[in-house]
Amino acid sequence: ETGVTQTPRHLVMGMTNKKSLKCEQHLGHNAMYWYKQSAKKPLELMFVYSLEERVENNSVPSRFSPECPNSSHLFLHLHTLQPEDSALYLCASSQDSIGSRAGELFFGEGSRLTVL
Amino acid sequence: QKEVEQNSGPLSVPEGAIASLNCTYSDRGSQSFFWYRQYSGKSPELIMSIYSNGDKEDGRFTAQLNKASQYVSLLIRDSQPSDSATYLCAVNMAGDYKLSFGAGTTVTVRA
Repeated sequence: ETGVTQTPRHLVMGMTNKKSLKCEQHLGHNAMYWYKQSAKKPLELMFVYSLEERVENNSVPSRFSPECPNSSHLFLHLHTLQPEDSALYLCASSQDSIGSRAGELFFGEGSRLTVL
Repeated sequence: QKEVEQNSGPLSVPEGAIASLNCTYSDRGSQSFFWYRQYSGKSPELIMSIYSNGDKEDGRFTAQLNKASQYVSLLIRDSQPSDSATYLCAVNMAGDYKLSFGAGTTVTVRA
C-alpha cells in the first residue's frame, strides 16, 4: 500500500460509546497529524506527533485521546463524544514537523464520524 | 480577523477559461504558502507550494505570491470540468507544522 490510509471510513456512534480511528502512513514521514473538518469551516489542527512524540495538543477536549505507537501509526481514541463532534477526521503526514516543507501534507481519505 | 481568508464562491467558469482564486493572510511574517484541492467527498490534495515572491508555474496551475500585499493567488488555465473542486489556501506562519487554512473556494467548471 502507498500513501496514508485511514480506517474506518465511516463511523456512527452513540454518546456513551468508545471507538478508535486508525491511521497508517507508508511514506516514511516523521510527522503525523489529526485534523478536524466541519462543513464550511477551515481545517482545524488537533494533534501533531513528530517522531512519535506529541508536539501539539491544540486545546482539544479530553474526550479525544491520540496515540502514536510508532512513526507509521496514529490512533484517535474517542469516548463520550457530543453530537457537535460529528465531522470528517483527517489524518495527515509530512516529512518533518519543522521547516518550510512541514506544510506539505499528505492526507488520508478521512473518517466520517456521526455522533447520535 | 481571520488568519487566512478566501472567497467561498462558488466560482463558476466556462471550460477553457482561466479560473482565478485569491487568498489573503494576516501574519506579515508568514513564510510558506500552499494550495490544496479537495474534490467533493474526498480529502485535500496538495497541488502547489510557493515560498518566495513572484510566480510559480506547474502545468496549468500558476501560484502567485505577493508578501508586501499579503496575498497569494492560484490561476487555473484552460479550466476543465475535472478542476471542479474546493481549493484550500494554507499559510505557514511559523516555519513549522502550524498551518492556517482558509475555508476554501468552490470552483465549478461548466462544459
